[in-house]
Amino acid sequence: ETGVTQSPTHLIKTRGQQVTLRCSSQSGHNTVSWYQQALGQGPQFIFQYYREEENGRGNFPPRFSGLQFPNYSSELNVNALELDDSALYLCASTYQGSGANVLTFGAGSRLTVL
Amino acid sequence: AQTVTQSQPEMSVQEAETVTLSCTYDTSESDYYLFWYKQPPSRQMILVIRQEAYKQQNATENRFSVNFQKAAKSFSLKISDSQLGDAAMYFCAYRSARWSSNTGKLIFGQGTTLQVKP
Repeated sequence: ETGVTQSPTHLIKTRGQQVTLRCSSQSGHNTVSWYQQALGQGPQFIFQYYREEENGRGNFPPRFSGLQFPNYSSELNVNALELDDSALYLCASTYQGSGANVLTFGAGSRLTVL
Repeated sequence: AQTVTQSQPEMSVQEAETVTLSCTYDTSESDYYLFWYKQPPSRQMILVIRQEAYKQQNATENRFSVNFQKAAKSFSLKISDSQLGDAAMYFCAYRSARWSSNTGKLIFGQGTTLQVKP
């Protein structure tokens, strides 16, 4: 098992810019989900990808989008950044189809929007 | 919609003592999973323990155990023999078992910061 890795660990953007965050899922995991965690809060579910298609979404606008690739990597893209997008973004992966499957999380990407 | 509530923003415990973190949830579903995750300053969420709602027996993992009260929709975490390394933010989380689209969707509480005093 290689775990879940995310990059970059920290980044700073200005309002209106676009950002791409990357995640490498654990080998064999066919499902990846992304979370936004504001400072001092619990993570909020953004969306989930299964076999390269989005199949679940939380209460986030369309400017949050994603991609999942066959090599267990995935991306979170955020367009037209707003100040409130400043947060820790967590990627998590699991294998769908095994009951009480457990999410394995990465260490996150800390985004600051100025 | 399901919700998860952790009413204790901060807790502290003396090393080697026992502490209990509270969690309540609201759902109309009968089949679901509950989790406790730990998030140290390194930021990575680490699974502490999980409970399947259809199992009446409370889950245990070494020094960690839960008190799962399905009717009361309560899911507390007990940490025995607390260690300095247990200091972290603890999150209670809910996952529906209903649809495959919920596989990666956890609903988290607000978290409880646990301080362990030497």
